Amino acid sequence: GAVVSQHPSWVICKSGTSVKIECRSLDFQATTMFWYRQFPKQSLMLMATSNEGSKATYEQGVEKDKFLINHASLTLSTLTVTSAHPEDSSFYICSAPSVARPSYEQYFGPGTRLTVT
Amino acid sequence: AQKVTQAQTEISVVEKEDVTLDCVYETRDTTYYLFWYKQPPSGELVFLIRRNSFDEQNEISGRYSWNFQKSTSSFNFTITASQVVDSAVYFCALSDLTGFQKLVFGTGTRLLVSP
Repeated sequence: GAVVSQHPSWVICKSGTSVKIECRSLDFQATTMFWYRQFPKQSLMLMATSNEGSKATYEQGVEKDKFLINHASLTLSTLTVTSAHPEDSSFYICSAPSVARPSYEQYFGPGTRLTVT
Repeated sequence: AQKVTQAQTEISVVEKEDVTLDCVYETRDTTYYLFWYKQPPSGELVFLIRRNSFDEQNEISGRYSWNFQKSTSSFNFTITASQVVDSAVYFCALSDLTGFQKLVFGTGTRLLVSP
């Protein structure tokens, strides 16, 4: 079946630094990918829609300049948390629908746990 | 706007008990998809089921069954003869069919199955 990977699976960084999270579709092309954030014991909230070759679409309340998204190829989207602060500590999950499948087929990555100290 | 409500925050059962997780949704779309995902402690979402709005047939898969009722906008999930390995957070989600489907998740129900 289709697989979406994320790297790193967990990361600890100091406040004020930036961290990049990669989301890859391993066996299919994804013109669109989604980035979700999940705070401890809470639900998944959509942050942004990543579009290959164009700007990402951010959900209301998500800071574009803080969460930089780049979808440079059909298999890779990156989320960069800039000037991270402890409140950015969260579980970040990406997902991708497969263009080769019916549009409701969506695959989730294993998530990246970010801790900002 | 779309909304998914999972009123049960946490449910505790003893192994072999049956348990039903409730999901109520709101949408103005006439065509949509409903999902259930399991999130074990590892964090990775495990896909359980997808149901489109045209198909109200109940579905059974092993110990899992789903009851979709459009009249009450509900999509409930039942685990029969629960097992300790069923302990996880379960999310109900909703998507529309316009473009690529972003999901709206409910707040999740934490299921604790004790031996």
